[in-house]
Amino acid sequence: KAGVTQTPRYLIKTRGQQVTLSCSPISGHRSVSWYQQTPGQGLQFLFEYFSETQRNKGNFPGRFSGRQFSNSRSEMNVSTLELGDSALYLCASRLGGTGLYGYTFGSGTRLTVV
Amino acid sequence: SQQGEEDPQALSIQEGENATMNCSYKTSINNLQWYRQNSGRGLVHLILIRSNEREKHSGRLRVTLDTSKKSSSLLITASRAADTASYFCATEGNNRLAFGKGNQVVVIP
Repeated sequence: KAGVTQTPRYLIKTRGQQVTLSCSPISGHRSVSWYQQTPGQGLQFLFEYFSETQRNKGNFPGRFSGRQFSNSRSEMNVSTLELGDSALYLCASRLGGTGLYGYTFGSGTRLTVV
Repeated sequence: SQQGEEDPQALSIQEGENATMNCSYKTSINNLQWYRQNSGRGLVHLILIRSNEREKHSGRLRVTLDTSKKSSSLLITASRAADTASYFCATEGNNRLAFGKGNQVVVIP
């Protein structure tokens, strides 16, 4: 059974540019969440999608957005990149959305903004 | 907001010894989960304990939850070099995880 796949693995962007990260969840998993990990702030929740609907959003500016497609694949977009957006972005999927199961995480996309 | 906080933050032990990590949180939770992360890679789910459970085992892992004290502990028995990693507790509420800062565990062969 394939795990959660995130692409690309590494990305270097320039300040002011925008970036799109992709996540393919485990087949059958309908809940997809995104997290940002930095040395200073640790792991922070970005948003969660279930059946194409954003159910929850973390405390991030509007430059951070996401969506989920009918096949449960998800993308997140960051516009007008800032140096502080450099981070490891992790996607996680889960079977169902009721809190009975743990999450399966992808290996992440490491974004560097220069 | 719910926030796991682990204690201690760094632990260095000999192979074969036990490692114990603690986690505290502030608000009511649906469940508490523990994850492992190797070298800045993705997180691996270790164990989930629901708010109505007090103790759970999985292989060499033992997790306890005390909702009255809003705390949890993770015990790794008979540690191995492969257990070297960062360990995070996370509380779940409203389909989102709130992570602690993590424990760095180094197991010396």
